[in-house]
Amino acid sequence: NAGVTQTPKFQVLKTGQSMTLQCAQDMNHNSMYWYRQDPGMGLRLIYYSASEGTTDKGEVPNGYNVSRLNKREFSLRLESAAPSQTSVYFCASCRRDFNQPQHFGDGTRLSIL
Amino acid sequence: SQQGEEDPQALSIQEGENATMNCSYKTSINNLQWYRQNSGRGLVHLILIRSNEREKHSGRLRVTLDTSKKSSSLLITASRAADTASYFCATDRETSGSRLTFGEGTQLTVNP
Repeated sequence: NAGVTQTPKFQVLKTGQSMTLQCAQDMNHNSMYWYRQDPGMGLRLIYYSASEGTTDKGEVPNGYNVSRLNKREFSLRLESAAPSQTSVYFCASCRRDFNQPQHFGDGTRLSIL
Repeated sequence: SQQGEEDPQALSIQEGENATMNCSYKTSINNLQWYRQNSGRGLVHLILIRSNEREKHSGRLRVTLDTSKKSSSLLITASRAADTASYFCATDRETSGSRLTFGEGTQLTVNP
């Protein structure tokens, strides 16, 4: 049982390049999330999808777009990468019931030069 | 902005000792959750405490919640070197589904 799988694990981009981070979960969860984690800070929510077919902005959405491809997959796209987007990106999923924990992938470490 | 603030930022103890981490938050919540993050890995859920609960146990973990003070604590008893990790509290205000706001975390080091 893989849980939440993120690809790639590492990536280096040049400023201005575009990239899509992939996330898939096999737990039949309705809700999926994208976070970024910067040194010395907790996770900050970029975008989330409460259920298939819906997406909403989180705390730090600028510079990102998302696609909920189907119930399993939720991708995050950087259209024109900037050095400020250097971070570790985590995807998570959970059931859409009250009081549910989130399940996290192992992250994508993204460096933008 | 971060909802939660954690204290201390870093904690170093010896194996066998207890570790206590504290979390404060600003707004009303439906539940508060604690997660562990080992170096280079994703977050792992430890325990969830609902707003109408005051204390919860899971193995060597004990979590308390004081909604009047908007604070929570995580106690790890009889710590082990394998407990070395960062610990995060997260608050959830949603009534349907989940939308977490994380604190900045406590880095726990347990020395053998």
